Amino acid sequence: GAVVSQHPSWVICKSGTSVKIECRSLDFQATTMFWYRQFPKQSLMLMATSNEGSKATYEQGVEKDKFLINHASLTLSTLTVTSAHPEDSSFYICSAAPLAGVRDTQYFGPGTRLTVL
Amino acid sequence: AQTVTQSQPEMSVQEAETVTLSCTYDTSENNYYLFWYKQPPSRQMILVIRQEAYKQQNATENRFSVNFQKAAKSFSLKISDSQLGDTAMYFCAFMREGGSEKLVFGKGTKLTVNP
Repeated sequence: GAVVSQHPSWVICKSGTSVKIECRSLDFQATTMFWYRQFPKQSLMLMATSNEGSKATYEQGVEKDKFLINHASLTLSTLTVTSAHPEDSSFYICSAAPLAGVRDTQYFGPGTRLTVL
Repeated sequence: AQTVTQSQPEMSVQEAETVTLSCTYDTSENNYYLFWYKQPPSRQMILVIRQEAYKQQNATENRFSVNFQKAAKSFSLKISDSQLGDTAMYFCAFMREGGSEKLVFGKGTKLTVNP
């Protein structure tokens, strides 16, 4: 149980294009999903918190117009990197907090490696 | 604001031996949760163990156990009978009580289990 998927697992795109990453909770409903960014050999950095049906809350220093987050349902959140540049290349990870059951635990997706050329 | 400190960037242990990873945190909250997550080379984050601050009893999960010292704000992870598959980055994390709160991570400890 408590499986979170991400799609795609990796993506390569040209500078200036937009990329959408999906995060799905497969066997539970999630009130809240979180988006993290991780650079090599570093810890996870929280980018934003996403609640179903409402606007995402972004961490300080994260450009909301560049990293668009949509949480359309209790099982799906998407992160769109708009006008991507090489410095946006990173590993993006989502997590989901269950609506019921063990609510104070987050379950993580397998991550998406983004490379911007 | 809460902070989590892992003072050991890297550690190594021989297979079948025991190793302890350190974690300290700073918070003014009284009720909260602490976690250890494992990130193997696949980079999938895996929950290892979870501790509620209001529980005095230390959490255990098979070969993994914690030493939770609330007054000292310390939360160490002990891995017994280390296995090659335990090789990974280990992150200590803090979460305020309240449901769907964000995790605050430490910088991680890279653990290598040697054959």
